[in-house]
Order: sequence, then structure tokens, then C-alpha cells
Amino acid sequence: QVQLVQSGAEVKKPGSSVKVSCKASGDTFSSHTITWVRQAPGQGLEWMGRVIPMFGTVKYAQNVRGRVTITADESTSTAYLELSSLRSEDTAMYYCASSLGAASDFDNWGQGTLVTVSS
Amino acid sequence: SYVLTQPPSVSVAPGKTARITCGGNNIGSQGVHWYQQRPGQAPVLAISYDSDRPSGIPERFSGSKSGNTATLTISRVEAGDEADYYCQVWDRSSDHYVFGSGTKVTVL
Repeated sequence: QVQLVQSGAEVKKPGSSVKVSCKASGDTFSSHTITWVRQAPGQGLEWMGRVIPMFGTVKYAQNVRGRVTITADESTSTAYLELSSLRSEDTAMYYCASSLGAASDFDNWGQGTLVTVSS
Repeated sequence: SYVLTQPPSVSVAPGKTARITCGGNNIGSQGVHWYQQRPGQAPVLAISYDSDRPSGIPERFSGSKSGNTATLTISRVEAGDEADYYCQVWDRSSDHYVFGSGTKVTVL
């Protein structure tokens, strides 16, 4: 089983970028898919994208495509989510989660990283 | 894009049974996963692949599917079951993941 620990809370200005990390331990990082999910205050879960570290392949949700970059560093077992051109609507809790295949469940979640976008 | 429909809320008395539905086109051909999210916490996998219960999840939690609807059933509901519940599938055609809008379970 893999444990996921995320970086700390961020406060950003509109138009800037944020990069959130998700460090995995306890199992082979490369054998998992890492997914990023966000949750705006009082709202539901929104899938943002995923990376397969073994292949470096990524897939992004349409609503953030063009502003989001997801990467993975196998040497440090860490995945990253970078979101640019931040808007107030990007204020949310951002979670990473792991799975073992395309149709698989998200069996482990990070603790979440709160990103606040405010002028 | 693929849509999963859940009721916004379900209220249930302690000791009774709560049923949360998740509707989607052709959902019968996809594995449905359910997550529990208590206030202020990260989601936790509650049911995977329609009806599999991960270790640590009480036997009171079960999942089923019929036609275009998946159902999460919580038997003998306890106060600690009060949470938001989300269904989720992988949309094979787009290689995207989809969450339902979530159902808030209130224990009366």
C-alpha cells in the first residue's frame, strides 16, 4: 500500500501559478497511477488529471486543460500538480490519490493541500 | 461528457438503512467505486468495483448495481456514518474519471 503526503497550504495572487507536491512511500511508486482531484469550498470532487509515473503519460480534464501540468519524479517518488493563470475559482482543496490501473479505484489519498487565490 | 447523478441528500434514523443511488448511462458495464468523506477530511474508499469492501470498512456498507443505477447501502446506520458519499467511474471512451455530485447523509 502507498502512503501519500502533500505539501503545505498556499496563498497565491490571481494570474500567478502554484505547484503542489505529493510524495509517496511504502510501495513501488512507478506501479501506481497518481490522480489529482480538487474540491472547491462546499462543492463536490472534481477530477483534474492523472500521471502514470512508469510511462510519464498524462491525461487532463477538459476544464483545466491548458493551465494544468502534472508530472512525476520517480527518483523521489513524488508527483506534482502545477496550475497556472490562477483565478479566484481555483480556490480549493487539492488532493492526490493513487490507483493501480485505469479502471481502478483511488485506494489511497493524500491529506489535501489548500490553495487560496486572493488579491 | 459522462454524468453520474446522485441525490443531494439522504436522511436516516439511527439503526435504519440508508440507500444512496448513482445513475449513469450504461453504468452496468463499468466498475463503480464509492467514497466516504467526513467533514474536514480526505475521501476514503468505501466500496470498490460495485460491491467489494476494502479492509477496515464495516460490513454494514455494501454496494450493488442494477440496470443504469448503482446503490450504496448502509445498514444499521450510526452517527459516525454522517458524511458525504461520492460514486466514481472511469469513462473508457475519454479515459477520464468522473465523480457523482455527492450525497450528504444526515443521521437524524
